[in-house]
Amino acid sequence: AQSVTQLGSHVSVSEGALVLLRCNYSSSVPPYLFWYVQYPNQGLQLLLKYTTGATLVKGINGFEAEFKKSETSFHLTKPSAHMSDAAEYFCAVTTTSGYALNFGKGTSLLVTP
Amino acid sequence: KAGVTQTPRYLIKTRGQQVTLSCSPISGHRSVSWYQQTPGQGLQFLFEYFSETQRNKGNFPGRFSGRQFSNSRSEMNVSTLELGDSALYLCASSSEFYEQYFGPGTRLTVT
Repeated sequence: AQSVTQLGSHVSVSEGALVLLRCNYSSSVPPYLFWYVQYPNQGLQLLLKYTTGATLVKGINGFEAEFKKSETSFHLTKPSAHMSDAAEYFCAVTTTSGYALNFGKGTSLLVTP
Repeated sequence: KAGVTQTPRYLIKTRGQQVTLSCSPISGHRSVSWYQQTPGQGLQFLFEYFSETQRNKGNFPGRFSGRQFSNSRSEMNVSTLELGDSALYLCASSSEFYEQYFGPGTRLTVT
């Protein structure tokens, strides 16, 4: 079954510091991978996706992620954190059917001044 | 384009009652998926509809059901509510298999 594991349920960074949120996947077929962000009392917003092609994917708000097949990873990064980046981040992989997403448990990002 | 809309945004029900939640997808999107989000279980897939047909179903009891109308709007129903059904219910629409856009959710509280 397709699944993702997010390492670290809470990550704290200083404003201006590098953001690194970790996601490892398990998939029996080439995976389609996603990162979503959720702000309090809101739904999920798509940050970026990897389907095929270029392994370095750029998303909104300055985020990017790199698909590394050899490491089965899809870590999310941002060079410089802003206070507005504080939110819950979810990594997701398509199920075998392709009609649903399996989500990780989420990582809560705290940005300190 | 308007985003995915869900109504109502908040709902309080009593154990044993039933509830219906509504979702209007992004215009032109024919696939609608439903997810349950709880602090303990995280985000879990409920079911997905495309052109009024359920294509995929998650591992939830039969008390959870859904349907899709010809205009792609979707409803989900939960019968005989239990305390554990308290959750944020998220609807997502998609024009392609793999990219889903989420609504703001319906917060259901069962007392």
